[in-house]
Amino acid sequence: DAGITQSPRYKITETGRQVTLMCHQTWSHSYMFWYRQDLGHGLRLIYYSAAADITDKGEVPDGYVVSRSKTENFPLTLESATRSQTSVYFCASSERSSGSYEQYFGPGTRLTVT
Amino acid sequence: GENVEQHPSTLSVQEGDSAVIKCTYSDSASNYFPWYKQELGKGPQLIIDIRSNVGEKKDQRIAVTLNKTAKHFSLHITETQPEDSAVYFCAASWAGDYKLSFGAGTTVTVRA
Repeated sequence: DAGITQSPRYKITETGRQVTLMCHQTWSHSYMFWYRQDLGHGLRLIYYSAAADITDKGEVPDGYVVSRSKTENFPLTLESATRSQTSVYFCASSERSSGSYEQYFGPGTRLTVT
Repeated sequence: GENVEQHPSTLSVQEGDSAVIKCTYSDSASNYFPWYKQELGKGPQLIIDIRSNVGEKKDQRIAVTLNKTAKHFSLHITETQPEDSAVYFCAASWAGDYKLSFGAGTTVTVRA
């Protein structure tokens, strides 16, 4: 049972480069989310998806692009990376069953933009 | 949108003592309040949650209380153990909406 995985786990990139963070879940959950975690800010929602081909903005979407062509994958792309996007990125998935609203988080990707 | 404030930002307790983390929220429509625990190098994991129709919920050494009138909720950990050392996040949302608004987190250290 692989659950939810993220790749790469660590990434260093330069300002202006495009970088894609991958997220894959094996549960066929309908909902998927991307958060960034910064000291003093907790977890802030970047984008979320309710199903394949349905995505919507969260609290801090600027500079990010998402797609969801398949239920199990939800990649996050930084089109032109900036130093302010240095952060730890978490992907999560969720499915409403038996009244549960639990979000299951991946292990995170630590991204450094130099 | 929803704004969740969490206090304290750090908490150090002696093993066996209790730990309390408090959160306030701004949106009176919020009715779902989960708590997540994040261990070093891992993603957050749900440890307990509460709905607005319940004032208190317990699960072994962990309890959550909710005061809807004052718009605040708290996490109580009794008989703390070294494995309770972690970062704890509170969150709030309307149950009909999957989006969660998180607090800034509390780093709990349990001293042996």
